[in-house]
Amino acid sequence: AQKVTQAQTEISVVEKEDVTLDCVYETRDTTYYLFWYKQPPSGELVFLIRRNSFDEQNEISGRYSWNFQKSTSSFNFTITASQVVDSAVYFCALTFSGYALNFGKGTSLLVTP
Amino acid sequence: GAVVSQHPSWVICKSGTSVKIECRSLDFQATTMFWYRQFPKQSLMLMATSNEGSKATYEQGVEKDKFLINHASLTLSTLTVTSAHPEDSSFYICSARPAPYEQYFGPGTRLTVT
Repeated sequence: AQKVTQAQTEISVVEKEDVTLDCVYETRDTTYYLFWYKQPPSGELVFLIRRNSFDEQNEISGRYSWNFQKSTSSFNFTITASQVVDSAVYFCALTFSGYALNFGKGTSLLVTP
Repeated sequence: GAVVSQHPSWVICKSGTSVKIECRSLDFQATTMFWYRQFPKQSLMLMATSNEGSKATYEQGVEKDKFLINHASLTLSTLTVTSAHPEDSSFYICSARPAPYEQYFGPGTRLTVT
């Protein structure tokens, strides 16, 4: 069975602070993909990143960075110098064998000025 | 590229009526589409897998007679909520899969049943 755990339900930070969103997953598959999505109040999911199980390189995209560690089954997401526009719900998700995504419960991030 | 549309984006209907939601892949073909449901402040939960030319596969606890899915072509899947009730009010999101491990999500449809 697959499971994605986002233990942080809500996080509140002040603008310009760095914030890390945690994601821990469980799967018995050796081939799988991990995702991060942003969901602003409009509801539309915004794709942030996809990482396959064979690629443990960390990724940086502007203020966003991701740390994938198979040893701890974690795929954490860090926003550097957060901005008010980063306020949203962030979902971590997992899939295998091309099946549907299995989403975590999401972390609601509030960035205040 | 890889755009998925949903129509309508929001709908209000009376209890007991049926509502049809369309999911279209605009610039690619998808033999498989997925339907998710999201209640307020909750995560996305898979409802069913829609396969072109065959019957949909429903997740446990999802009533197939209530949520009718038709995947008539490689670019269109429809979800019909039959005899809708207030508890069916939710945000419905579809995704289309052009290839394994690739999924593109529609913008969602907000259904309110009064």
